[in-house]
Amino acid sequence: AIRMTQSPSSLSASTGDRVTITCRASQGISSYLAWYQQKPGKAPKLLIYAASTLQSGVPSRFSGSGSGTDFTLTISCLQSEDFATYYCQQYYSYPLFTFGPGTKVDIK
Amino acid sequence: EVQLVESGGGLVQPGRSLRLSCAASGFTFDDYAMHWVRQAPGKGLEWVSGISWNSGSIGYADSVKGRFTISRDNAKNSLYLQMNSLRAEDMALYYCAKGRTALWTDDAFDIWGQGTMVTVSS
Repeated sequence: AIRMTQSPSSLSASTGDRVTITCRASQGISSYLAWYQQKPGKAPKLLIYAASTLQSGVPSRFSGSGSGTDFTLTISCLQSEDFATYYCQQYYSYPLFTFGPGTKVDIK
Repeated sequence: EVQLVESGGGLVQPGRSLRLSCAASGFTFDDYAMHWVRQAPGKGLEWVSGISWNSGSIGYADSVKGRFTISRDNAKNSLYLQMNSLRAEDMALYYCAKGRTALWTDDAFDIWGQGTMVTVSS
C-alpha cells in the first residue's frame, strides 16, 4: 500500500503569512493527489484535486503543485479562516485511498 | 443545495451489526461514485469503501473487507454501509462523500456529509 507522509505535522503562523505544507508518497502517484481542509467539528472540504486544480469556490490564495512523489500545498496569504488541519490524499492506488496524517495550522 | 446527510450511527456492542445510511440531494445521484470515510476520535481520515455510479464496481479497505458491505439505491438517492462483526477499532465518525466522477477509483471527494458517530463498546 502507498504511504503518505506530511510535513510539518503542525505549524504556527500569523495572518498574512505564506504557508507551505509538503506531502510525500511512498511511490509515484503521478498527479492523483487531493488536498482537504478540516476545521474542528466539521467535515473535510476539498481544496485541490489532480495535484494543482483548484476546486470551484476555493479562494485563489490556495495552490498546489508537484507530481510523482512530492507535492506541496501553499497558502499565499494566510487568513483567519484558514486555521485548520490539512490532509493530502492519493487516489492513484486503489482499493486503498490513503490519506496523509494531517498538518495542523494554528495561530502564532 | 448539494447535501449529504448520514444517519444510523449509535452505540453497539462488539460483534454486533449496524447499518448506516446517507441521503443525497441537490445533484444527480446516479451520475457519481460514492464513498464512506471514517475518522476515529482525535485521529486522521481513513477511506472505508467506495461504489461506482451503477454499483458495478466496489472497493473496500483491508481493515473492513469481509465485514462491511456498501450499497446504493439510485431510485432513493441513498447510500448505505452495512457493518457486521463490529470491533472496538471501528469506532469512529463515519462520513459519506461524493466522488467527482462516476467511477469510485477515479477521483477525489468533493462533497462530504457531517458524519454519523459509531461507538463500539460493551
